[in-house]
Amino acid sequence: SQTIHQWPATLVQPVGSPLSLECTVEGTSNPNLYWYRQAAGRGLQLLFYSVGIGQISSEVPQNLSASRPQDRQFILSSKKLLLSDSGFYLCAWSAGTGGNYEQYFGPGTRLTVT
Amino acid sequence: DAKTTQPNSMESNEEEPVHLPCNHSTISGTDYIHWYRQLPSQGPEYVIHGLTSNVNNRMASLAIAEDRKSSTLILHRATLRDAAVYYCILVFGNEKLTFGTGTRLTIIP
Repeated sequence: SQTIHQWPATLVQPVGSPLSLECTVEGTSNPNLYWYRQAAGRGLQLLFYSVGIGQISSEVPQNLSASRPQDRQFILSSKKLLLSDSGFYLCAWSAGTGGNYEQYFGPGTRLTVT
Repeated sequence: DAKTTQPNSMESNEEEPVHLPCNHSTISGTDYIHWYRQLPSQGPEYVIHGLTSNVNNRMASLAIAEDRKSSTLILHRATLRDAAVYYCILVFGNEKLTFGTGTRLTIIP
């Protein structure tokens, strides 16, 4: 069966520090991968998605970036964190593109920027 | 993106069926209807999806109106673990899931 891992589970970082969040998927190949952010009390916002190695689409301009160095690895990064980057970061995967494919979410990383 | 409308909150007694409504009057012919739920401090969990016909899986049933302008998620026998925010989402060709505010379901023991 497929599983999705995210780490770390929680993170407290000062403003201006770098960020690296990692997501890996097991049990499937060539998944679509997604990064979402959920601010406190708000809905999910899609940040990036990828349909293959090295292919990244950005949904929202920000100081975050994403990379997909391997088929089942998706990394979210920032060079300098802002207070507004605090939130619950979720990685998700799907088996294909289009409405007939559901997304499966990881456990999330709760980031607090101080 | 076509939008959905859901009640902000609902309550149900434990071990009774729950019917969660969703209106999507501007749905297009290629939009799939997806349902996800989110428990506190957890990532969303896929529940079920469909296009035109009613769908059943181990978690729930999805009843889709004949004109597809509304749908209902049915939990056949609610348990305390079903307390969550339930999101009804329309998904078509692109990859994006657009989550609204959902319905907060409270289960009464």
